[in-house]
Amino acid sequence: SQTIHQWPATLVQPVGSPLSLECTVEGTSNPNLYWYRQAAGRGLQLLFYSVGIGQISSEVPQNLSASRPQDRQFILSSKKLLLSDSGFYLCASGGGRGANVLTFGAGSRLTVL
Amino acid sequence: AQKVTQAQTEISVVEKEDVTLDCVYETRDTTYYLFWYKQPPSGELVFLIRRNSFDEQNEISGRYSWNFQKSTSSFNFTITASQVVDSAVYFCALPSYQGGKLIFGQGTELSVKP
Repeated sequence: SQTIHQWPATLVQPVGSPLSLECTVEGTSNPNLYWYRQAAGRGLQLLFYSVGIGQISSEVPQNLSASRPQDRQFILSSKKLLLSDSGFYLCASGGGRGANVLTFGAGSRLTVL
Repeated sequence: AQKVTQAQTEISVVEKEDVTLDCVYETRDTTYYLFWYKQPPSGELVFLIRRNSFDEQNEISGRYSWNFQKSTSSFNFTITASQVVDSAVYFCALPSYQGGKLIFGQGTELSVKP
């Protein structure tokens, strides 16, 4: 079974500072990888997904970017954080058309002040 | 368009009560899967169940049961004899047409009080 590692778990950053959230996956190869954000309230918004190294699809225009430098590594970044970037960020692995279950990491809670 | 609707934003029950969480979905696909996830206060989403649209039989797992009705596009989740540990946000989800993404409902926050 897959294991998703996310770090840091908690982050407090000032507006305008850079961001790097990292996600690594164990127990599978060539997974689909996803970054979701959960803002205040509960909705899960898909930010980015990747079907392979260097292949990134963005779901919504925003201040964030994603990269996949290795098969099982997915990074979420920003050059300058905004207050609206605050939220709970979840990395997920798996998916694929139809049946594949998404496995989620424990999440990274970002507060921008 | 694909969509998942969880109309109940918050539900509060007393321990040992039964509770049903509603999920209604929209999809053009004739074959599809549906999912339920649980998000306890720790934040990590935990997979509960996956159902194939071909199989409309109710699924039971311990105190959990799922009622899938294709005719009404609903996939409801019932917890029998609820416990405090069931307190969490529950999400219903449907795979997107592209990229294997999951489309989530807005979630239902269940609070079980002792």
